[in-house]
Amino acid sequence: EVQLVESGGGLVQPGASLKLSCVASGFTFSDYWMSWVRQTPGKTMEWIGDIKYDGSYTNYAPSLKNRFTISRDNAKSTLYLQMSNVRSEDTATYYCTSGAGIYWGQGVMVTVSS
Amino acid sequence: DIQMTQSPASLSASLGETVTIECRASEDIYSNLAWYQQKPGNSPQLLIYDANSLADGVPSRFSGSGSGTQYSLKINSLQSEDVASYFCQQYNNYPYTFGAGTKLELK
Repeated sequence: EVQLVESGGGLVQPGASLKLSCVASGFTFSDYWMSWVRQTPGKTMEWIGDIKYDGSYTNYAPSLKNRFTISRDNAKSTLYLQMSNVRSEDTATYYCTSGAGIYWGQGVMVTVSS
Repeated sequence: DIQMTQSPASLSASLGETVTIECRASEDIYSNLAWYQQKPGNSPQLLIYDANSLADGVPSRFSGSGSGTQYSLKINSLQSEDVASYFCQQYNNYPYTFGAGTKLELK
């Protein structure tokens, strides 16, 4: 059974940093591009970025490129999202997904508030 | 960025009815379009990819069509389990972008 399990979310203060993780199982993680997508409380979906199967290439939404970094560890079948200088508008549920959108995690909530 | 204009924002339909949801791209996306279904409290699920290809396990009452800038998702013979929100997403150009979603309810 395919599983993507995100973790690392929670309540964080504006300006802080946070690192989300996504552990994959049930498929060959290293064969897939992987992405992060977020959904705001108002249900708007926003693509954050993706990373090539070997970690050699990343793409980002221009508005997030300077603050968010995607990485992966294929030996651990884990995808990461490093978020820095977070803002209230980063409050959302964050999903990891296989690049083709076939597999999605259950999502992890991030709330940015003082 | 490519803008995806999805309509309608909400839709109320009866069981057995056929419903259609539209997405219009701000430029040609060459059928690089996916449709997702998201039931309340759940993650999105891929329904359609490449504009008209049915994802594994998706009932055949779902279909996608379109080309260029205009795309649609059709649900034939609406079932109660189809109550959900539906999103389109283009993956022709970075950054990939989503439509605003359509909330489908039963009448």
